[in-house]
Amino acid sequence: EAQVTQNPRYLITVTGKKLTVTCSQNMNHEYMSWYRQDPGLGLRQIYYSMNVEVTDKGDVPEGYKVSRKEKRNFPLILESPSPNQTSLYFCASRLAGGPYYEQYFGPGTRLTVT
Amino acid sequence: GNSVTQMEGPVTLSEEAFLTINCTYTATGYPSLFWYVQYPGEGLQLLLKATKADDKGSNKGFEATYRKETTSFHLEKGSVQVSDSAVYFCALSPASGGSYIPTFGRGTSLIVHP
Repeated sequence: EAQVTQNPRYLITVTGKKLTVTCSQNMNHEYMSWYRQDPGLGLRQIYYSMNVEVTDKGDVPEGYKVSRKEKRNFPLILESPSPNQTSLYFCASRLAGGPYYEQYFGPGTRLTVT
Repeated sequence: GNSVTQMEGPVTLSEEAFLTINCTYTATGYPSLFWYVQYPGEGLQLLLKATKADDKGSNKGFEATYRKETTSFHLEKGSVQVSDSAVYFCALSPASGGSYIPTFGRGTSLIVHP
């Protein structure tokens, strides 16, 4: 089954404790992306990657890191989480060859930073 | 830059009512246009799309027509059900730029009462 998986689905942590949210897709998609969803603000892109070893900042990259060492995986790293990073996070992927390809989203990771 | 504007929610309807959710966009050329739906507790999933002017996307009784002259892609359904209660996102992928980075609207919450 074609899917994007994220882990963990729920995470409660404390300020400053490094964490990683994993994202994996099995569709051989070149493009992968991370979003955060906050009430009243919709989806905001954090980082995206056009292919292995190619990453770029989205609209709200501060406080986040990413890496793309393999095509299927795109982890999101919070090296020193702060309470303003409490949010619902989504990973997404799609083919990269044109604008007409839809994105496939993971189920989301709800992060709470206390 | 590119932008997508959706009507503010929540939209509250009774079952079997007619639904319209307005979406207008700003972009150069002919972007691809999408509607995604997010059911409670889930990630976004593609509802329908249109990739050129005057195209009509349709799925699950929902329809939207790509109107270049009014830069709009309004979502409609003739008779909503309780199970349609969700958040709906309009999005575009630009026709140029190479990376086709999508832009999302802020989402419109739909609540359907029995």
